[in-house]
Amino acid sequence: EAEVAQSPRYKITEKSQAVAFWCDPISGHATLYWYRQILGQGPELLVQFQDESVVDDSQLPKDRFSAERLKGVDSTLKIQPAELGDSAMYLCASSRDQGFGAYSYEQYFGPGTRLTVT
Amino acid sequence: ILNVEQSPQSLHVQEGDSTNFTCSFPSSNFYALHWYRWETAKSPEALFVMTLNGDEKKKGRISATLNTKEGYSYLYIKGSQPEDSATYLCAFSGAGNMLTFGGGTRLMVKP
Repeated sequence: EAEVAQSPRYKITEKSQAVAFWCDPISGHATLYWYRQILGQGPELLVQFQDESVVDDSQLPKDRFSAERLKGVDSTLKIQPAELGDSAMYLCASSRDQGFGAYSYEQYFGPGTRLTVT
Repeated sequence: ILNVEQSPQSLHVQEGDSTNFTCSFPSSNFYALHWYRWETAKSPEALFVMTLNGDEKKKGRISATLNTKEGYSYLYIKGSQPEDSATYLCAFSGAGNMLTFGGGTRLMVKP
């Protein structure tokens, strides 16, 4: 069964350092999502890609976060510099497409990267 | 900002008990309601995608209902087992397949 891959699974970094997370979606999935889940809360969408283009990044803190999906396949999320408040689970998900009208595609999630900033 | 709420936040039950959780969401601009199960150290797993008012879906001992007019969905687990212990997330889907998640219900089933 195809899965969404993420690496690393765990990352500990000091504040002010740079970190990067990688995601490989299910083959053929055009839409890729990055979510952040703070302990005790639900996942929050950071950025959504359709192929290589950003569809929505309204919740991405652009002063320190960046995301790219250069060839429309795998994706990287970067934080520079990391802050203590960035400690969270970062989840990547993919879906066949972004949905049209009333049709909603199922999103498949990876196992996430647990980031701890010290 | 969309408001999706889940209750209770956490729940402890004994093996064999039946239980249910609630997800409330905006009743306007509704496209779909998703339920996920998220076990520790694993990927969130999709349980149901529900789109029509009055929908009822079932997967083994787990079932869900949907009321889009009043903006709520119930998830039921019949005869809870220790392996059902997980966080159950609901998510409201708007245009463009964007999901807004609730805070989750953490279920712990004691043997």
